[in-house]
Amino acid sequence: AQSVTQLGSHVSVSEGALVLLRCNYSSSVPPYLFWYVQYPNQGLQLLLKYTSAATLVKGINGFEAEFKKSETSFHLTKPSAHMSDAAEYFCAVGGGATNKLIFGTGTLLAVQP
Amino acid sequence: GAGVSQTPSNKVTEKGKYVELRCDPISGHTALYWYRQSLGQGPEFLIYFQGTGAADDSGLPNDRFFAVRPEGSVSTLKIQRTERGDSAVYLCASSWGDLGDSEQFFGPGTRLTVL
Repeated sequence: AQSVTQLGSHVSVSEGALVLLRCNYSSSVPPYLFWYVQYPNQGLQLLLKYTSAATLVKGINGFEAEFKKSETSFHLTKPSAHMSDAAEYFCAVGGGATNKLIFGTGTLLAVQP
Repeated sequence: GAGVSQTPSNKVTEKGKYVELRCDPISGHTALYWYRQSLGQGPEFLIYFQGTGAADDSGLPNDRFFAVRPEGSVSTLKIQRTERGDSAVYLCASSWGDLGDSEQFFGPGTRLTVL
């Protein structure tokens, strides 16, 4: 069985500040981990994914995430927030014999000027 | 088209009615996925197809939900005897390979409202 927990349904940061969105996972098989972003009135877009290669994964728009097996975590970070980063972010886990993704409940990121 | 398309974008129906939601995947993508997203929740897996066959339908909530992909391209999600709890955004995604090799590209969704 697989599951994802995203701590903090709402996160607010100032423009230029560090963004940290937390994701912890549970998986009985080696996991694949994903971060998706959803802008208002748009579809889900893949930011980055971990598939058992490098544990530090770099994605689009300056985001990165680090897979930490000992902590069962895959937190998303960005050194400096931009106003355009305001969106909802979803962590997801997959792996094993199926291609389905299990999503967390999402974190809504607000960026204050 | 360039991306995954879904029709209609919005569907309002009455409790007890039958609805069909359509998904056009990216050309050449062999895998097609259906998820639904309720308000304030993340997407919830329903079913996915590899070609014409359902590879995993473990997320279908009950036998009122059914999906087909007869020619391995377009898919239709069918909901019988709709209930108010079926109200959600239904998302479709497609990919050319497995999770480790490829990305699931999502469509804009169909917002279903059951009155």
